[in-house]
Amino acid sequence: DTEVTQTPKHLVMGMTNKKSLKCEQHMGHRAMYWYKQKAKKPPELMFVYSYEKLSINESVPSRFSPECPNSSLLNLHLHALQPEDSALYLCASSEAGTGYQPQHFGDGTRLSIL
Amino acid sequence: GQSLEQPSEVTAVEGAIVQINCTYQTSGFYGLSWYQQHDGGAPTFLSYNALDGLEETGRFSSFLSRSDSYGYLLLQELQMKDSASYFCAVRDKGRRSNYQLIWGAGTKLIIKP
Repeated sequence: DTEVTQTPKHLVMGMTNKKSLKCEQHMGHRAMYWYKQKAKKPPELMFVYSYEKLSINESVPSRFSPECPNSSLLNLHLHALQPEDSALYLCASSEAGTGYQPQHFGDGTRLSIL
Repeated sequence: GQSLEQPSEVTAVEGAIVQINCTYQTSGFYGLSWYQQHDGGAPTFLSYNALDGLEETGRFSSFLSRSDSYGYLLLQELQMKDSASYFCAVRDKGRRSNYQLIWGAGTKLIIKP
């Protein structure tokens, strides 16, 4: 078990559905991340929130909409996804200071788009 | 461009020692980190090297040579549970360096009894 909790663990949705992925951490970290990971590939950064403000958006399509309601929670809202969006979606958190801060990952949500 | 090179797969025997190499080519460099990921699991932070030399943490050690743009992860007394993918990742210089890593493609480590 990890200290970053993601729900749901698995999600199957149609291309017209709207769903949300949730992430929670209670380590007091002020930086939170969304990654997308395809099989046998490294994690691919999507978004970074620092002190609840969007810090990095890696040119992600608007069908993915992140939200950080408070310092412990991170959501990823999904709408009108494409089959190629099927992947493992990982949430991570870290300290937000200068210098290297190891990232702590959740177990991910395995998303399948029909 | 920016790239990290690591072997796609390494096979070793239980109880042995294995080294996973990583060479990098980036516009700037702050440090090299290593993450472990078991199949179906989350990446887990293993180590970070900002300065040249060897860092040891139990059975795992990580080495960095900035002049050679090269590092490696050394795993000793291999156990079956060490079978996993290992990613090297560089913290590049720049305004996003606090948060953004450049990842290698990963090395799948297979441990045989």
